Amino acid sequence: NAGVTQTPKFQVLKTGQSMTLQCAQDMNHEYMSWYRQDPGMGLRLIHYSVGAGITDQGEVPNGYNVSRSTTEDFPLRLLSAAPSQTSVYFCATKTVNTEAFFGQGTRLTVV
Amino acid sequence: DAKTTQPNSMESNEEEPVHLPCNHSTISGTDYIHWYRQLPSQGPEYVIHGLTSNVNNRMASLAIAEDRKSSTLILHRATLRDAAVYYCILRDVITQGGSEKLVFGKGTKLTVNP
Repeated sequence: NAGVTQTPKFQVLKTGQSMTLQCAQDMNHEYMSWYRQDPGMGLRLIHYSVGAGITDQGEVPNGYNVSRSTTEDFPLRLLSAAPSQTSVYFCATKTVNTEAFFGQGTRLTVV
Repeated sequence: DAKTTQPNSMESNEEEPVHLPCNHSTISGTDYIHWYRQLPSQGPEYVIHGLTSNVNNRMASLAIAEDRKSSTLILHRATLRDAAVYYCILRDVITQGGSEKLVFGKGTKLTVNP
C-alpha cells in the first residue's frame, strides 16, 4: 500500500519549459489537493479536486493547470515555468472525516 | 478562514513534556482544531484534532480551552524524532466540508535537545 506517490522527487527546469508533476494515490480518496511550500513558509493551496472530473482553484492557482480524469491521479501542469515557481510541491489526499495524507514532495527549481 | 497564532519556535529537552500553544480567538462554533507536523524534508503528517473536549491519541494530547479561543498540543515525552514544524489549523466542516481545504500558517518549529 503506497499511499500518496509523487514523481519526480527533484526537477530542474529552464524558464519557459513545461512539465507535469504527478500525484497518484491508492487509497480511493475522493479529495486531492496540490500545495506549494516556499522557504520558511507554510503550505499554500494551488488547486484541489473533490472527485473525478471536478477541480477548483485554491489560493495561488496562476501558472498552474490541473485535471482529474480518474480517482487515483491528479497531475499538476506548469505550462511555462517561471523562477517564481521554484518551490517544493506537495500533493495531499483525504476522504470525508479523515485526516489528510501528504506525499513526500517534489522539489522544483526553475532557472 | 479563521486565523491561528503560534510562536515561531520552541525548544525542549529529550524525554521532557512539550506544550505547544495556539491562539484562535476568532474561532467559530463549527471550526475543528487540527494539528499537523512536518518533519525535515517530508510532507506534513496528521497529529490530532478536536472540537471541544480534550483528545488523546498515541502521538499526543490536545487540550482545548473552555472558550475554545486557544488550544495546546502536548507531547508527553519528547524524542529527537519529534523535532519538526507543528501547524495548528482550523477547519470548518460545514462550509469547507466539500473542499477539504487546509490553511497553513508558518507553524512552530520545535527543536529537541538530546
